[in-house]
Amino acid sequence: DAGVTQSPTHLIKTRGQQVTLRCSPISGHKSVSWYQQVLGQGPQFIFQYYEKEERGRGNFPDRFSARQFPNYSSELNVNALLLGDSALYLCASSPGLGKETQYFGPGTRLLVL
Amino acid sequence: GNSVTQMEGPVTLSEEAFLTINCTYTATGYPSLFWYVQYPGEGLQLLLKATKADDKGSNKGFEATYRKETTSFHLEKGSVQVSDSAVYFCALSTDGGFKTIFGAGTRLFVKA
Repeated sequence: DAGVTQSPTHLIKTRGQQVTLRCSPISGHKSVSWYQQVLGQGPQFIFQYYEKEERGRGNFPDRFSARQFPNYSSELNVNALLLGDSALYLCASSPGLGKETQYFGPGTRLLVL
Repeated sequence: GNSVTQMEGPVTLSEEAFLTINCTYTATGYPSLFWYVQYPGEGLQLLLKATKADDKGSNKGFEATYRKETTSFHLEKGSVQVSDSAVYFCALSTDGGFKTIFGAGTRLFVKA
């Protein structure tokens, strides 16, 4: 079975630009979460979506937005990029909500110049 | 609020040495506890988990026991290999919660 997939794998943008990252969950999983991992730190929660609705949001500015599609795939959008947005963006899927195990994709490495 | 604290690294060991990485947590209710591993340039892989007090998670020679009385979930391995070199993250999730909370990670180097 395919795991969580993310695209693109790497991305270079300049300050002020906008970026869209994509994620496909494991088949049958209805929940998708997004995390930001800055170099040398643990992942920080950005969003969770379940059944196409936002179920949780971390402490990130409104420049960050996301959505989930009917096939449960998801996009993360970041507007007005800052140098500090450079990080590994991880997508995770799980069957539902709560204490379930999250399965992570390989991530998209974003570099903002 | 909920949080995870794990020992700072890096931890450097010789092959076949015993490994312990300490992890303690603060949480309301009864969280599930996890250890994830991240190899260089890759995403996170679930290593093991435990969902209730006194449960022991194990995988690939690694073990961790859910200790509610000490709010700990220490990772252990009896004999490490060079291929175990990676960053290890302790994490928790809670009922009614919508996110997994991670520790800062502990980098392990194993020398041949």
